[in-house]
Amino acid sequence: AQSVAQPEDQVKVAEGNPLTVKCTYSVSGNPYLFWYVQYPNRGLQFLLKYITGDNLVKGSYGFEAEFNKSQTSFHLKKPSALVSDSALYFCAVREPRSGNTPLVFGKGTRLSVIA
Amino acid sequence: DTGVSQDPRHKITKRGQNVTFRCDPISEHNRLYWYRQTLGQGPEFLTYFQNEAQLEKSRLLSDRFSAERPKGSFSTLEIQRTEQGDSAMYLCASSLWTSGESGELFFGEGSRLTVL
Repeated sequence: AQSVAQPEDQVKVAEGNPLTVKCTYSVSGNPYLFWYVQYPNRGLQFLLKYITGDNLVKGSYGFEAEFNKSQTSFHLKKPSALVSDSALYFCAVREPRSGNTPLVFGKGTRLSVIA
Repeated sequence: DTGVSQDPRHKITKRGQNVTFRCDPISEHNRLYWYRQTLGQGPEFLTYFQNEAQLEKSRLLSDRFSAERPKGSFSTLEIQRTEQGDSAMYLCASSLWTSGESGELFFGEGSRLTVL
């Protein structure tokens, strides 16, 4: 069965510094990978996805993620963090197969960007 | 606003009562999903529909839970004889699925259930 691990419950970075939020996955075959962000009292918002092609994927709000098949990872990155990036971030995976499968989410990582 | 909308946003009920949540997806989306999220956890899949057909149900969905999407548009999630363990945020999401589509979901803001 597909699964996602986000090894860090919380990540703290200073504003202006680069940030990384880690994600590893387990799936049979080639994964579809996603990052979502959840702000307080808001629904989950899609950030970016990897389906196929270039391993470096660019998404909303200056975020990017790198797919690494050998390490089964899909870490979220941003070159320069903003205080407004503080939120809960979820990695999700889907195993493409006939009939489709729902997204499976990790437990989330709380990102705190300190001014 | 043409996003996914959920109602009510908050529901407080006593143990043993029935509750119903409604989700209105993005109008052109053919798939609708229900997830449950508890504090400190990521969303957990409950069930999903393609048009009016319920295609998959998680083992998390006990027989006290029932979901419908009668006309392939809005959906309802009913919980009968609520238990304190049902307290959670119930999330609805929708997507436009075609063969080969990646499965990006668009979420509503959720319905928070508190069972006393």
